[in-house]
Amino acid sequence: SQQGEEDPQALSIQEGENATMNCSYKTSINNLQWYRQNSGRGLVHLILIRSNEREKHSGRLRVTLDTSKKSSSLLITASRAADTASYFCATAGAGSYQLTFGKGTKLSVIP
Amino acid sequence: GAVVSQHPSRVICKSGTSVKIECRSLDFQATTMFWYRQFPKKSLMLMATSNEGSKATYEQGVEKDKFLINHASLTLSTLTVTSAHPEDSSFYICSASFQTGYNSPLHFGNGTRLTVT
Repeated sequence: SQQGEEDPQALSIQEGENATMNCSYKTSINNLQWYRQNSGRGLVHLILIRSNEREKHSGRLRVTLDTSKKSSSLLITASRAADTASYFCATAGAGSYQLTFGKGTKLSVIP
Repeated sequence: GAVVSQHPSRVICKSGTSVKIECRSLDFQATTMFWYRQFPKKSLMLMATSNEGSKATYEQGVEKDKFLINHASLTLSTLTVTSAHPEDSSFYICSASFQTGYNSPLHFGNGTRLTVT
């Protein structure tokens, strides 16, 4: 069953602006991960946040996790045209390597 | 960094033929690999978990006789789409984790675009 649901489905912003994507899930998790996919390519791991963590940073990326609301957000600051891609959240349950992916947010950054 | 290589990147085949897709972990050993299928503008759907030296575990609704998975070594898993039909046309992606422990990211191949005519 589909676990993560990203919101919005599509987002278009100007270069330099911040982009925020949200993800909601339904069951308990061990960790939540964000991935990026350029068109027609595989996925690239961006950041992993464990269930006992609330916020994590990596460069221009900031991820938050609220397990009480079963939601996460990915913030990309000072966006660049090269950030144009689809972004997926994925959840892993306890004791499992398997990831369940959301439907993704397609981000377009306009130069 | 860890690299997963997937081959071929694109394949076109005729209906009724079989196609083999390879997934290799280039600089690490992967006891477990995962095969996903992605429809246009859709999310990734887990098809099966490939376990080295044992049978693959298929997700509900995935035909194991149609999507044959072989994980004969710690660096190679193959997915064979048998008797392919146009509805099998899709983007297939493999992944593996080189770290131990469940809090480990997956590394993905670049995917294979299968078109069945």
